[in-house]
Amino acid sequence: EVQLVESGGGLVQPGGSLRLSCAASGFTVSSNYMSWVRQTPGKGLEWVSVVYSGHNTYYADSVKGRFTISRDSSKNTLYLQMNSLRVEDTAVYYCARLGYDGAALDIWGQGTMVTVSS
Amino acid sequence: EIVMTQSPATLSVSPGEGATLSCRASQSVSNNLAWYQQKPGQGPRLLIYGASTRVTGIPARFSGSGSGTEFTLTITSLQSEDFAIYYCQQSNSWPPEFTFGPGTKVDI
Repeated sequence: EVQLVESGGGLVQPGGSLRLSCAASGFTVSSNYMSWVRQTPGKGLEWVSVVYSGHNTYYADSVKGRFTISRDSSKNTLYLQMNSLRVEDTAVYYCARLGYDGAALDIWGQGTMVTVSS
Repeated sequence: EIVMTQSPATLSVSPGEGATLSCRASQSVSNNLAWYQQKPGQGPRLLIYGASTRVTGIPARFSGSGSGTEFTLTITSLQSEDFAIYYCQQSNSWPPEFTFGPGTKVDI
């Protein structure tokens, strides 16, 4: 079964760090384009980052310089390292596969909640 | 930055009725437009990509149309499981942005 399972969310203070993980099954993370998307009640769905072939990575302006997307082929896992966290980073974070030649996010995880608060 | 808008914000329909959801882009995205369905506590589910191509396994009552800046998701004969929030998303920008619309809630 094709599946993505996120983990690593939690409560962190402003300025802190957190690393999210996304374990894939049924397909190979390293052979696919992968992305992170977050969702808040106030701002809806917001794309965060994408990794294409090799190490080509892109980020939303709101997280550029603070977040890093990466993947480990041996663990078939996608990561999102989040540093210098802000209150406005509070959201449910989803990992997703970018399928159909980059046209759309075809497989999504169930999400992991990140709360940034003092 | 491409801004996506959706209308209406909420659509109240009865089971068996049809629904038409609109999505507009602030500039042309060609046909690089996808539609997602999201139910409470779940991640979004891809329904349509390329503006009009239905994903395998998605019922034929879902159809997408449009190009450029105006897009439509049509649901014919709504079933109980179709009551959800629907989002459109563009993938035309480079560098990538993957901007989402604010969503349309379809409820009873």
